[in-house]
Amino acid sequence: AQKITQTQPGMFVQEKEAVTLDCTYDTSDPSYGLFWYKQPSSGEMIFLIYQGSYDQQNATEGRYSLNFQKARKSANLVISASQLGDSAMYFCAMREMLTGANSKLTFGKGITLSVRP
Amino acid sequence: DVKVTQSSRYLVKRTGEKVFLECVQDMDHENMFWYRQDPGLGLRLIYFSYDVKMKEKGDIPEGYSVSREKKERFSLILESASTNQTSMYLCASNQANYGYTFGSGTRLTVV
Repeated sequence: AQKITQTQPGMFVQEKEAVTLDCTYDTSDPSYGLFWYKQPSSGEMIFLIYQGSYDQQNATEGRYSLNFQKARKSANLVISASQLGDSAMYFCAMREMLTGANSKLTFGKGITLSVRP
Repeated sequence: DVKVTQSSRYLVKRTGEKVFLECVQDMDHENMFWYRQDPGLGLRLIYFSYDVKMKEKGDIPEGYSVSREKKERFSLILESASTNQTSMYLCASNQANYGYTFGSGTRLTVV
């Protein structure tokens, strides 16, 4: 079974609107971390936000927030007030703290987001 | 500014050639990783290293090897390049359980 699932096809959003990018995960490890990365067309991977499995509150970083629903094993990224520069591929990733080896991350297949002016 | 530097942005090699992809980090990180990225498949882990001269296989190690002789440098080696190794290769490093810092990637084409 896939550990990280991102099934949305290419997503489109109007500039200044909010958009949610879905991510579900599968683990039996009680301690894990969830990450979102952005990859613009230039290719570099940019860290956006992190959520630990024991964190009491949903993570937020500026216009990015993580809608963490532990029981449903979902960690959706919410981007508020979309900007043209948000057009990119977005990857969800997980680190399993106890069963995972040496802090490696497992990535999903990614979601392409296009922001329309 | 902390950095992970990959020696080549674009590379074209012939089938059967031995190919070296170099990655250097200046953050004194313990852990270093090599991923390949293919459309529709996301990032897949090839090899990682958590210390000098130590290496661990990732999910798709076949056809690759690695070398880590110094803490700051992690090399990915394609012993005999094949066309199915045409891909984007991403190097990353981190310390303990912190997030990754990625290099800018090497787009390798094997012809």
